[in-house]
Amino acid sequence: DAKTTQPPSMDCAEGRAANLPCNHSTISGNEYVYWYRQIHSQGPQYIIHGLKNNETNEMASLIITEDRKSSTLILPHATLRDTAVYYCIVRAPPIKAAGNKLTFGGGTRVLVKP
Amino acid sequence: NAGVTQTPKFQVLKTGQSMTLQCAQDMNHEYMSWYRQDPGMGLRLIHYSVGAGITDQGEVPNGYNVSRSTTEDFPLRLLSAAPSQTSVYFCASGLAGGRNEQFFGPGTRLTVL
Repeated sequence: DAKTTQPPSMDCAEGRAANLPCNHSTISGNEYVYWYRQIHSQGPQYIIHGLKNNETNEMASLIITEDRKSSTLILPHATLRDTAVYYCIVRAPPIKAAGNKLTFGGGTRVLVKP
Repeated sequence: NAGVTQTPKFQVLKTGQSMTLQCAQDMNHEYMSWYRQDPGMGLRLIHYSVGAGITDQGEVPNGYNVSRSTTEDFPLRLLSAAPSQTSVYFCASGLAGGRNEQFFGPGTRLTVL
């Protein structure tokens, strides 16, 4: 699975959009970009994933550049409850025999301030 | 659905003791896995399973055993606890296909003295 690079931390004002960058310059053609977050002391939570098209769900939007070497997770209206560590993970579709493994890096620690 | 449940929530062991961390899911997921998270670090994969009767090692398997006799349960056994195994342990489950989302349990906080 391709390696990802994220800033270690960032602050965001409550009510404003939070834009979290992720660099994955070695991504392969069949690899997806996944985002998970981990609120303090809890298990990680799936947010969104995409291959090449931009994606949106009830939690966030994912913007993937045309060359797929980077992406941005957008939290449209950050709340205090969005304070968490956000992990960008790049992985190929799981092969049954190999499992559905996730490789977590250091992530970005996002602090939403009032 | 209860999702992924883990017991116990907290545990303190002495060096050399053994114990089993329990993990169960009620979503009929094929994949289950165990991760550990040390302070300030990301999660690291210990063992995983792609179905009942099938398990394999992850990134940091030494000192741990697993088995998968049913789809629902995936216990993690510490054979002889060491202080280096002090960590938070997360169990996860997921489907083989679809969006490959994984669901994580609340974690077990283990301290080995």
